[in-house]
Amino acid sequence: DAKTTQPPSMDCAEGRAANLPCNHSTISGNEYVYWYRQIHSQGPQYIIHGLKNNETNEMASLIITEDRKSSTLILPHATLRDTAVYYCIVLGAQKLVFGQGTRLTINP
Amino acid sequence: DGGITQSPKYLFRKEGQNVTLSCEQNLNHDAMYWYRQDPGQGLRLIYYSQIVNDFQKGDIAEGYSVSREKKESFPLTVTSAQKNPTAFYLCASSPEAGTGVGYTFGSGTRLTVV
Repeated sequence: DAKTTQPPSMDCAEGRAANLPCNHSTISGNEYVYWYRQIHSQGPQYIIHGLKNNETNEMASLIITEDRKSSTLILPHATLRDTAVYYCIVLGAQKLVFGQGTRLTINP
Repeated sequence: DGGITQSPKYLFRKEGQNVTLSCEQNLNHDAMYWYRQDPGQGLRLIYYSQIVNDFQKGDIAEGYSVSREKKESFPLTVTSAQKNPTAFYLCASSPEAGTGVGYTFGSGTRLTVV
């Protein structure tokens, strides 16, 4: 399974863009990158996914480098409700394997 | 509304007793999963099932057992062989295995063994 590396924690001011990095240097050519987040004591929630093109939806944007070895999740205007643990995942053998994630704290 | 129901939300058991956690989904999803989460840690996969009457071990299957007799149900039994069973358990389902999109998680069961 391709592994991912994320910083353990980040802070961001409310209203600013939150940029969460992820390294996945062993990713294979046909493996997607998925982002989920987990708000305290709830089940994870899907955010976005991508293969090699940048993606955007109503929640976030995903920027994948040309060599696909890293990506950045962007929350354009972070709110207090975006405080959560964010997981960057490369699908492994038919199922999601969660790492430690990044604990993002949005400060007022 | 479609979703996943886990019950109970909190569960207390004495050491040495087996306990079964319930997970039911009405999303018509083929694949179902059980994850364990310890305080401050990420989710670890216990078992998963891609189709009825079939399931595979995840990364930490020792001391756990599952069954998948119906598409809607994927109960997890925590046996007395599990050395440290106190944890938060999350059940999930997805339309099919092999994709990371469309995972739906339950609200979890917090198991405490005393």
